Amino acid sequence: DAGVTQSPTHLIKTRGQHVTLRCSPISGHKSVSWYQQVLGQGPQFIFQYYEKEERGRGNFPDRFSARQFPNYSSELNVNALLLGDSALYLCASSLVAVGYGYTFGSGTRLTVV
Amino acid sequence: TQLLEQSPQFLSIQEGENLTVYCNSSSVFSSLQWYRQEPGEGPVLLVTVVTGGEVKKLKRLTFQFGDARKDSSLHITAAQTGDTGLYLCAGDQTGANNLFFGTGTRLTVIP
Repeated sequence: DAGVTQSPTHLIKTRGQHVTLRCSPISGHKSVSWYQQVLGQGPQFIFQYYEKEERGRGNFPDRFSARQFPNYSSELNVNALLLGDSALYLCASSLVAVGYGYTFGSGTRLTVV
Repeated sequence: TQLLEQSPQFLSIQEGENLTVYCNSSSVFSSLQWYRQEPGEGPVLLVTVVTGGEVKKLKRLTFQFGDARKDSSLHITAAQTGDTGLYLCAGDQTGANNLFFGTGTRLTVIP
């Protein structure tokens, strides 16, 4: 069975640009969460979606947005990129909208120059 | 601000030695999870502890959840080079649909 898949794996963007990251959850999982992991730190929660509705939002600016599609895949969008947005962006899927039982993808490494 | 503080931040030991990693908070958690993360990969779940005072063993790894559900520890016996990685604790709280991750402990086991 396929695990959580994220694309692209690596991305380089310029300050001020926009980026879209994609995530496909494990088959049967209806919840997708996004986390940002800056080098040397633990992941920080950005969003959780369940059944296409936002169920949680972390302390991130409005430049960050996300959505979940009918097939439960998800996109994370970041506008007006800043150097500080450089990080590993992790997607995690779970059966239900709770804070455990996650399976993480390998992440998208975003570098903003 | 990280709700969970891990110590030590870095640990380098010889193969065969024992080690303990600590995860501490002033907040109460419904459950505590431990993950291991390899470079370029996402975190992989090792264990979930849910009851205060609970001890779980996974081969050479022993996990303990504090009685007050505010802290946890991970003990590795006879470390192997394959144990090298970033160890992360993470907790979830009632009413929150997300995990709060610790600051991480980077373990290097030297052959």
